[in-house]
Amino acid sequence: AQTVTQSQPEMSVQEAETVTLSCTYDTSENNYYLFWYKQPPSRQMILVIRQEAYKQQNATENRFSVNFQKAAKSFSLKISDSQLGDTAMYFCAFMKQGGSEKLVFGKGMKLTVNP
Amino acid sequence: GAVVSQHPSRVICKSGTSVKIECRSLDFQATTMFWYRQFPKKSLMLMATSNEGSKATYEQGVEKDKFLINHASLTLSTLTVTSAHPEDSSFYICSARTQGGSPLHFGNGTRLTVT
Repeated sequence: AQTVTQSQPEMSVQEAETVTLSCTYDTSENNYYLFWYKQPPSRQMILVIRQEAYKQQNATENRFSVNFQKAAKSFSLKISDSQLGDTAMYFCAFMKQGGSEKLVFGKGMKLTVNP
Repeated sequence: GAVVSQHPSRVICKSGTSVKIECRSLDFQATTMFWYRQFPKKSLMLMATSNEGSKATYEQGVEKDKFLINHASLTLSTLTVTSAHPEDSSFYICSARTQGGSPLHFGNGTRLTVT
């Protein structure tokens, strides 16, 4: 079974600064996807970024980028130029390729961006 | 694109009654939908995988007779909480994907309160 670990339950950062959220996972699979989802107070789950395991290049989406270390099974999210709207719960998630392709979530991390 | 609509957003019901929650993919066909449950300040727990035209696959520990899932069409899945009890009070979220390997798109969730 796959597991996703987010060891930091809570972080805060000043507006405009950079913050890195950590995530590690455990799997014996070789083909899979990794995701970061954001859940603001509205509780809507919003996809932040996605990484295919077969790609060596780290995914980027505007201010969001990941550091994907497949051998170390690490998948951290870097948020640059933090904005107040980035305040939310952030969930790291794993999905095995093929089969039901269900998402396995980490416990989440609460990020607060301070003005 | 890829909008998932979930209804109702909030529902209060009396203990012993049943409640139905709908999840619709508005602009795409979803052969597979997923139902999650989220306790306050906790992660999303997968309850079941809903496949169009077939029986749902429930995760270990989830009572299939209590949480009835029906996926009658490619755009609609329903979750019925039968004989609800206060401990069933929670936030329920559905999700769907457009095709294999694509990220999940989530509904806005339903807050169920059983009195």
